Amino acid sequence: QSALTQPASVSGSPGQSITISCTGTSSDVGSYNLVSWYQQHPGKAPKLMIYEVSKRPSGVSNRFSGSKSGNTASLTISGLQAEDEADYYCCSYAGSSTYYVFGTGTKVTVL
Amino acid sequence: QVQLVQSGAEVKKPGASVKVSCKASGYTFTSYGISWVRQAPGQGLEWMGWISAYNGNTNYAQKLQGRVTMTTDTSTSTAYMELRSLRSDDTAVYYCARDPYSSSSFFDPWGQGTLVTVSS
Repeated sequence: QSALTQPASVSGSPGQSITISCTGTSSDVGSYNLVSWYQQHPGKAPKLMIYEVSKRPSGVSNRFSGSKSGNTASLTISGLQAEDEADYYCCSYAGSSTYYVFGTGTKVTVL
Repeated sequence: QVQLVQSGAEVKKPGASVKVSCKASGYTFTSYGISWVRQAPGQGLEWMGWISAYNGNTNYAQKLQGRVTMTTDTSTSTAYMELRSLRSDDTAVYYCARDPYSSSSFFDPWGQGTLVTVSS
């Protein structure tokens, strides 16, 4: 099972909006509304930002939103802030033989 | 608050085994599963497997089948991940994360991570 494809890097200025794509296949992203997104700052454990494609856990800013179309999921960060600079990973359930597959990761830089 | 606390860093020789622990608190341990995820230096996240804390059922990533064993001790709300026949490319930070599995699919929260270094 190959990793989901994400852009290696995305950048934006404070206050701008950016979108990170996560492309899979009809066996993972396209088949299940079980895509989640994680934020990871250097040297820290990942943190859940979005689950089930578009749901936000309690405590996560509403500047983070998720969506899906076909085999591609997306994470949008609006009103970009310096603290959003981190690595972001998507993850999808991929059925009962593979279970989970992560994305390749995207480094977000706030200019 | 819900928290997962992992054991400390390990240094192992090639061919050896390592066992990492993950102690849960702040929730009913047997109501969730625990997934293990690893991250090699400078690399992305790799899902290793999952264990139900309710009945001990496991699902392992195909590439680790035969080398990994996940267990739980419900009396201490602790999950364990043992990896055998270690190789240099097993050098990574190993994370445990709570996983609802039966009701949804996501990892929250995560443990702080355990660095396992495999070196001769």
